[in-house]
Parts: sequence; structure tokens; C-alpha cells
Amino acid sequence: AQSVTQPDIHITVSEGASLELRCNYSYGATPYLFWYVQSPGQGLQLLLKYFSGDTLVQGIKGFEAEFKRSQSSFNLRKPSVHWSDAAEYFCAGRYSGAGSYQLTFGKGTKLSVIP
Amino acid sequence: NAGVTQTPKFQVLKTGQSMTLQCAQDMNHNSMYWYRQDPGMGLRLIYYSASEGTTDKGEVPNGYNVSRLNKREFSLRLESAAPSQTSVYFCASSEEGGNTIYFGEGSWLTVV
Repeated sequence: AQSVTQPDIHITVSEGASLELRCNYSYGATPYLFWYVQSPGQGLQLLLKYFSGDTLVQGIKGFEAEFKRSQSSFNLRKPSVHWSDAAEYFCAGRYSGAGSYQLTFGKGTKLSVIP
Repeated sequence: NAGVTQTPKFQVLKTGQSMTLQCAQDMNHNSMYWYRQDPGMGLRLIYYSASEGTTDKGEVPNGYNVSRLNKREFSLRLESAAPSQTSVYFCASSEEGGNTIYFGEGSWLTVV
């Protein structure tokens, strides 16, 4: 069965430091992959998505993610974290085949930022 | 530009009561979804509607029913609420076979 795993439940970084959030997927074929961010009490906002092509994907708010087929990973990165980046981050994936609708989420990584 | 709108935002129910969560989208999307979010569990799909007139079960459908009222609206009903249904519920929509799913702001439901 398809799955998305986020190994880190909680990460704390200092403001200005670099950030990498891990995501691993398990699908029979290359899935579509997404990163969402959720601020407290809010819905989910799409940061970026990977469908095919260039394996380095740029998103909003200065985030990027790299798809690595050999490692079944889609890690989210940011060179310099801002205090406003404190939130919960969700990796998600779904089959790229026609008629596929189910998006599978990881359990999330909560990011805390030290001023 | 409202996107996906859910009502109510907060609700407290007693065990055994029924209620309906309403969802509407104004993006002319064909597909709509209901998810629940629980601490440490991420989001889990309850039901989805690939297009108007169709609905299908997701990962955790037990205790819920849905209605795709028209292209814009997709409601979620709890017939007899249980404490295990205390959760945050998110409605979402996408183009058919949609590559990007857009979420509402959530409905906080507590069953006591």
C-alpha cells in the first residue's frame, strides 16, 4: 500500500539557520508529491508540488524540495528560516495514474523556531 | 475569492446527536473531499466525490455519510456522533484527477 513517512515529529531550529524536513514515500510508481504547511488554527496551504521533470522544485515562501528516486525521498529545504515559518508541515503523495484521487499524508513535522 | 468554505467552524455535540458539516467551493472544481485531522495522525480521507453525482469511501468512512448536492457543495453527516469523532474536519477540492488539492480552513468538532 502507498504510504508517506515523515520521520521527524518535531524539529527546532534557530532563526536564520537552514532547514531540512524529511519525507519518504512508498509507491509502486513515481507519485505526485506535495508539501503543505499548516499554521495553528488554520487550514493547509500548498508550498510546492512535484509531478515530473526537474527534480528540484521551487515553492512559495523561499522553500524548495528535491525529489530523489533512488532514496524514495522528497525533502523540503529552506536556506534561512524566519520566525514566521514556525508551523506544522505535511508531506503528501498520490498515484500519478488517471482516476486516482486519494491523497495520502504523512503525520506531519512540527517546526519550532528559536528567535 | 473565497475558495473552499466550511461551516460551522466550531461545534460541540452530545454523544448520539447528529449534525451536518457543509462545504462549498467556488473554483468550479469537479472533485471534492472530506478529511479528518487528529493529533499525530496527519490527515485521513473520509469520503471523496470524484465528480458530481459520485461518492466513494476513503480510509476512514465508518460513522459518516456524504452528499454531493451539486458541483459546488459536498456535505458530511454524522448520524450518531461518538467521542471518537472529535476531530478537526477539512473539506477540499480539486480539478478532476486534480493535481493540486485546495483546503478549507477546517471545522473543529467536539463530541462529549
